[in-house]
Amino acid sequence: QSALTQPASVSGSPGQSITISCTGTSSDVGGYNYVSWYQQHPGKAPKLMIYEVSNRPSGVPDRFSGSKSGNTASLTISGLQAEDEADYYCSSYTSSSTHVVFGGGTKLTVL
Amino acid sequence: QVQLQESGPGLVKPSQTLSLTCTVSGGSISSGGYYWSWIRQHPGKGLEWIGYIYYSGSTYYNPSLKSRVTISVDTSKNQFSLKLSSVTAADTAVYYCAREGIVGATSDYWGQGTLVTVSS
Repeated sequence: QSALTQPASVSGSPGQSITISCTGTSSDVGGYNYVSWYQQHPGKAPKLMIYEVSNRPSGVPDRFSGSKSGNTASLTISGLQAEDEADYYCSSYTSSSTHVVFGGGTKLTVL
Repeated sequence: QVQLQESGPGLVKPSQTLSLTCTVSGGSISSGGYYWSWIRQHPGKGLEWIGYIYYSGSTYYNPSLKSRVTISVDTSKNQFSLKLSSVTAADTAVYYCAREGIVGATSDYWGQGTLVTVSS
């Protein structure tokens, strides 16, 4: 069982927007602005899409955005494209001894 | 552009030690400012952080694996390594090396990953 809770799957049609939630506790998501989001295509390594809740690394389209409210972080993808179909993982720094915790992943299907 | 590449055996026998090396290019481990991490992903599952090392040799491990994990660094070769002892089938996974920021536990560069299967 993962430390952070994500929905197992979400779906949307091209051009639409979707949001993936990531729920933790006050020891991780709620306590620090150190939430990251990763995109993983099948057989590939995770790719950083969002860091520190809402910052995008260079090269990541602005269709990807992040936010946080309390113990829940969210990743929103607007203007869905076929290439966005992938697994998405959230992570957070944690004050517990495990240092960083991950969500169980959300499979995004572009219909 | 920083690049990381894992190398090591893809098959390890139960009770033996898994050994992997990560070679970093496009940046120096010795320059500081980053942790160098190992993360694994069991087949069809999520991500599990194993531990990290700083260029100075300071380490921090996931408590659930701490008794079996050793991470070391060779700055002269710009490499860092993972050893996981007494492996079982439960250690079968894709192992990734990654660069992690000192603050925030964000991994911005990852290796391509290497599948390690534990089987006799």
